[in-house]
Amino acid sequence: DTAVSQTPKYLVTQMGNDKSIKCEQNLGHDTMYWYKQDSKKFLKIMFSYNNKELIINETVPNRFSPKSPDKAHLNLHINSLELGDSAVYFCASSQGGYGGNTIYFGEGSWLTVV
Amino acid sequence: QKEVEQNSGPLSVPEGAIASLNCTYSDRGSQSFFWYRQYSGKSPELIMFIYSNGDKEDGRFTAQLNKASQYVSLLIRDSQPSDSATYLCAVNGGGAQKLVFGQGTRLTINP
Repeated sequence: DTAVSQTPKYLVTQMGNDKSIKCEQNLGHDTMYWYKQDSKKFLKIMFSYNNKELIINETVPNRFSPKSPDKAHLNLHINSLELGDSAVYFCASSQGGYGGNTIYFGEGSWLTVV
Repeated sequence: QKEVEQNSGPLSVPEGAIASLNCTYSDRGSQSFFWYRQYSGKSPELIMFIYSNGDKEDGRFTAQLNKASQYVSLLIRDSQPSDSATYLCAVNGGGAQKLVFGQGTRLTINP
């Protein structure tokens, strides 16, 4: 069983389109995250939700909107995609969201904007 | 100054030797320190975590923490070609509820 699963794994889309990435975790964790990894491999947090409540919202354009229907799911919707949005987006989860707990990552979603 | 800094490498080490990976961090209030390994095209996976000053050993891996110097390192003994990957240092941001990653060090073990 995949602990943190996200779909789609690969996504190629045109500038200006709107797309969503879905994430689900079956670890029973109460905190979920979206991280972005750019071409230089720098992994940066975008959002964190604890029990469906937004905890962290880093400096991310408001074209990015996370939604957490329950604590096992955290989806990411991106409006008006730009070339610079091309990256790998990792969903992750942990038990407790205070930065001191092990984070488990999904397999990543490779987004290419053309 | 970046919150978590690593030498991006690449770091080349002969098979069987000790690989030493280093990381410095800026937030003196940080309490938790993690090393993740990421193979090309894959997601990061946890290798070790350390909370207290000193050394922590797990098999061929040893994490070292020096909070006074704001320095954490990872030693890999008897390096194997399968250890070739990017190693990410991660630090919790003190009072902040997040884990901050360094840019990663690319390690290559040469047979």
